[in-house]
Amino acid sequence: EVQLVQSGAEVKKPGESLKISCQGSGYSFTSYWIAWVRQMPGKGLEWMGIIYPGDSDTRYSPSFQGQVTISADKSITTAYLQWSSLKASDTAMYYCARRDYDILAVTDAFDIWGQGTMVTVSS
Amino acid sequence: QSVLTQPPSASGTPGQRVTISCSGSSSNIGSNSVNWYQQLPGTAPKLLIYSNNQRPSGVPDRFSGSKSGTSASLAISGLQSEDEADYYCAAWDDSLNGFYVFGTGTKVTVL
Repeated sequence: EVQLVQSGAEVKKPGESLKISCQGSGYSFTSYWIAWVRQMPGKGLEWMGIIYPGDSDTRYSPSFQGQVTISADKSITTAYLQWSSLKASDTAMYYCARRDYDILAVTDAFDIWGQGTMVTVSS
Repeated sequence: QSVLTQPPSASGTPGQRVTISCSGSSSNIGSNSVNWYQQLPGTAPKLLIYSNNQRPSGVPDRFSGSKSGTSASLAISGLQSEDEADYYCAAWDDSLNGFYVFGTGTKVTVL
């Protein structure tokens, strides 16, 4: 079964660092991009950035550039999203999602999603 | 920053047809295909429509998508109670270095 399994909920204080994970299984992890998506409480979906685990090529949304770091360890088929100094405004649910990209079939969508990791930042 | 605009809400009675619009620009919908995602309450989003009008395996044919110029739409025919969810359009945007954008989201209520 193709799936993405994310790490558990986190409760942190402002200024602390954090790294959450997303482990892929059931497919060739190095052949598909993995994206991170933020959903603040009661709000919509926001695309943060994406990484290609095969060569660690990474792109960020302008809104999140410099605010977070996306990385991957292909040896353990895991992608990461990290913060060096959390803010209360980082409180949100974070999803990882696999990009299904086939230029011949003109397919380009996020077809597999993780279950989400809730991050709460509060003093 | 969402650059795809959707109506905040839509509703219908069981069996009715509901349509959701998604308005973008030449750098996103005008240049790239549109995808739609369904998010049931308390769950992760799920791919509903890809490449403007294609349904992944398992998605009922009650759901259909279309695109024209810089706009797209999702139609739900034969509305069912289990269709009550948030729906998001999305597309790649070719401006700057390229990034993916989601629509503002539409809450569908089954009356």
